[in-house]
Amino acid sequence: QKEVEQNSGPLSVPEGAIASLNCTYSDRGSQSFFWYRQYSGKSPELIMFIYSNGDKEDGRFTAQLNKASQYVSLLIRDSQPSDSATYLCASRPTSKIIFGSGTRLSIRP
Amino acid sequence: KAGVTQTPRYLIKTRGQQVTLSCSPISGHRSVSWYQQTPGQGLQFLFEYFSETQRNKGNFPGRFSGRQFSNSRSEMNVSTLELGDSALYLCASSWTSGPTGDTQYFGPGTRLTVL
Repeated sequence: QKEVEQNSGPLSVPEGAIASLNCTYSDRGSQSFFWYRQYSGKSPELIMFIYSNGDKEDGRFTAQLNKASQYVSLLIRDSQPSDSATYLCASRPTSKIIFGSGTRLSIRP
Repeated sequence: KAGVTQTPRYLIKTRGQQVTLSCSPISGHRSVSWYQQTPGQGLQFLFEYFSETQRNKGNFPGRFSGRQFSNSRSEMNVSTLELGDSALYLCASSWTSGPTGDTQYFGPGTRLTVL
């Protein structure tokens, strides 16, 4: 069974700190990876996508991909209360996207 | 550019009935995927359509079906509803399909409650 695994959390981080979210995937054929944020009762919204090994930065967000270790991470710098949400990691080994179960992030004031 | 739209936003049905949900992708997007999201199972892939053809299918019973029209709009149908079908049904669209296909953008979802 192809899987994407995430720690369900909750992950509690103080405001202003760095939040680190991790994800592993099992299908070495996966070529593209995504991070989505989902607020309670809302649909997922795309934060970042990454295809190549290394880091990709977009504002306060940095995605990291290590294909050898089959590991994807998302760093959120200067965490804000509005970052409190569930973060979904996804990989795309075929035409369908496989989602992890999500990590609940809570930013405490 | 308008985002992905889904109708209706909320539905209440009873067991045994059938339901049809609609999804209009972002203009120019040809791939539409459907997902079921429940608290216990998370986000589960139902199927993907590209240029009116089903490209991939998840592990759901045959009661779940879909189709795509020439304008890329898609519908999914669930027949003989069961209590366990209560969920948020999400549609997502992208330009293309395949493992290097670009990003999927989600619609607001249809909340289905089966009584």
